[in-house]
Amino acid sequence: QSVLTQPPSVSAAPGQKVTISCSGSTSNIGNNYVSWFQQLPETAPKLLIYDNSKRPSGIPDRFSGSKSGTSATLGITGLQTGDEADYYCGTWDSSLSAVVFGGGTKVTVL
Amino acid sequence: EVQLVESGGGLVQPGGSLRLSCAASGFTFSDHYMDWVRQAPGKGLEWVGRARNKAESYSTDYGASVKGRFTVSRDDSKNSLYLQMNSLKTEDTAIYYCTRRYCDSTSCYNEAFNIWGQGTMVTVSS
Repeated sequence: QSVLTQPPSVSAAPGQKVTISCSGSTSNIGNNYVSWFQQLPETAPKLLIYDNSKRPSGIPDRFSGSKSGTSATLGITGLQTGDEADYYCGTWDSSLSAVVFGGGTKVTVL
Repeated sequence: EVQLVESGGGLVQPGGSLRLSCAASGFTFSDHYMDWVRQAPGKGLEWVGRARNKAESYSTDYGASVKGRFTVSRDDSKNSLYLQMNSLKTEDTAIYYCTRRYCDSTSCYNEAFNIWGQGTMVTVSS
């Protein structure tokens, strides 16, 4: 049981948009910054979003992040077959003094 | 080139010990917090632990499932991070990644892990 809650899967057709939610509490998302990671099969995770909504250099603006209260959201527009991957949210939990991740969401391009 | 290379994984019996290493290159290792993250087969990401930098007195934190059994340490003179794993359990079977936070020209962002090693597999089985 992960501290952060994500839907197990989302799907959409190529070119469409998907959103992935990440729900937590005041001890984690509510008072700390959220990061999002993409993990393609058999590879290490890749940072997509940090500080709730910022993109590292090289990450296309098709990927966006937002946060409201104790929830965060990752959006992917213009969906491509190459976006099929697992996506994870992560943040610091001040009560646990630990980094916590969501359980991951599998994105399928129909 | 910024790079992290893990080593030391393998097969170990339950109750045994193993020490993982992570060799860093291409950046000023001593400036950075360094973390271990693991992923059990077919499962999600799980944070293992962190070793902060000298400015933060090399303090450490651990995930609940490994606290008291695992120890994260670092040797800045060797640009290396370590994970000492004791009292290993079958549920510790996973790929173990060494990772570093993202830094831009103005700041570093602690949970924004953007540099990852290739991972090293640890299998705990009799």
